[in-house]
Amino acid sequence: DTAVSQTPKYLVTQMGNDKSIKCEQNLGHDTMYWYKQDSKKFLKIMFSYNNKELIINETVPNRFSPKSPDKAHLNLHINSLELGDSAVYFCASSPRVGAGGELFFGEGSRLTVL
Amino acid sequence: AQSVTQPDIHITVSEGASLELRCNYSYGATPYLFWYVQSPGQGLQLLLKYFSGDTLVQGIKGFEAEFKRSQSSFNLRKPSVHWSDAAEYFCAVGALNNNDMRFGAGTRLTVKP
Repeated sequence: DTAVSQTPKYLVTQMGNDKSIKCEQNLGHDTMYWYKQDSKKFLKIMFSYNNKELIINETVPNRFSPKSPDKAHLNLHINSLELGDSAVYFCASSPRVGAGGELFFGEGSRLTVL
Repeated sequence: AQSVTQPDIHITVSEGASLELRCNYSYGATPYLFWYVQSPGQGLQLLLKYFSGDTLVQGIKGFEAEFKRSQSSFNLRKPSVHWSDAAEYFCAVGALNNNDMRFGAGTRLTVKP
């Protein structure tokens, strides 16, 4: 019974294509995140949602658009993919807002742009 | 905003030896501090966390960490490393008033037989 699940786990696509990654959590958490992990393992926050409302929007190209249809789901859509978008994208959720609550991570979605 | 530095990119220890991974944070108020572990091809798993109270916190898998406010540090320790501890370790800092969790660059741990 996976707590935070992401699909797909692997994505291989050509430059210029559009792709989406889906995330669902069954933990009842209010807060969800997208993180990008580059080839050097550096984790960078991209977006954070609290109860479907965008809270954090880091300096991310507007080709990246998150969507939260309800508080259990946070999807990431990427337009016009570029080589530099190749990375592992992690979804995470947290039980508390504004209290530095621990994060529960999905297993990641590895995106390769050719 | 808060930030984290992990000075060691890669550490190699022998199985059975003790381990200390360093973490320094920057934040103006009381931080919320975490250590996560990432095994190859996996997501991150929480090892332990510090919010308040006792500055020595115990975590899973025999790990512990000590919060030292005077040194802005939260180093991770284990008295005897097992081969299965080989992984990437991330220190992270959260804050009271925002959703923002910042991660260090990670320390890769290799365990020699």
